[in-house]
Amino acid sequence: QSVLTQPPSVSAAPGQKVTISCSGSSSNIGNNYVSWYQQLPGTAPKLLIYDNNKRPSGIPDRFSGSKSGTSATLGITGLQTGDEADYYCGTWDSSLSGNWVFGGGTKLTVL
Amino acid sequence: QVQLMQSGAEVKKPGASVKVSCKASGYTFTSYYIHWVRQAPGQGLEWMGIINPSGGSTNYAQKFQGRVTMTRDTSTSTVYMELSSLRSEDTAVYYCARGPGGGGGYWYFDLWGRGTLVTVSS
Repeated sequence: QSVLTQPPSVSAAPGQKVTISCSGSSSNIGNNYVSWYQQLPGTAPKLLIYDNNKRPSGIPDRFSGSKSGTSATLGITGLQTGDEADYYCGTWDSSLSGNWVFGGGTKLTVL
Repeated sequence: QVQLMQSGAEVKKPGASVKVSCKASGYTFTSYYIHWVRQAPGQGLEWMGIINPSGGSTNYAQKFQGRVTMTRDTSTSTVYMELSSLRSEDTAVYYCARGPGGGGGYWYFDLWGRGTLVTVSS
């Protein structure tokens, strides 16, 4: 059971928009930056969003991030079949001994 | 180019240890932390710990304390992750990933290795 809660799956048609939620608590999302990762099948994860809403160079502006309170959201517009992947949120958790934590991951299907 | 190159797949018996390497190139090795993240078959990502290549300080996830050791060799820009007392549940792909320094609240992973499959089987 992950400390951060993500929906197991989401789906949408090509060209549409989808959002993926990541719910936590004050010990993690509420007081720390959130980052998002895309993992295409059989490959290593790739950074999509850091510091809640910043995109690394090379990441298209179709990808966006936001945070409110103890929840964060990844948005993807203009969906493409190549966006089919697993998406993970992550942040620092300052409870107990302190750990980095990931959400359980969300499988995006582009119908 | 900027990359993290990991060692090849390993097959180990229960109770043994495994040591995975991660060689950095294309950037200043001591300017970024290196994290280790693993992924069991069909499962999500799990953070194992971090090493600061500059001074060698480490911070391990509570789950792995006592079983994991992370070290670095600045002469070859290589980080090592050794996991001992292996059990079948340790079968996973192990990734090294680069991130900025500072406190945990500012971390993220902007460069990943391709992963090393470790299989634990009798």
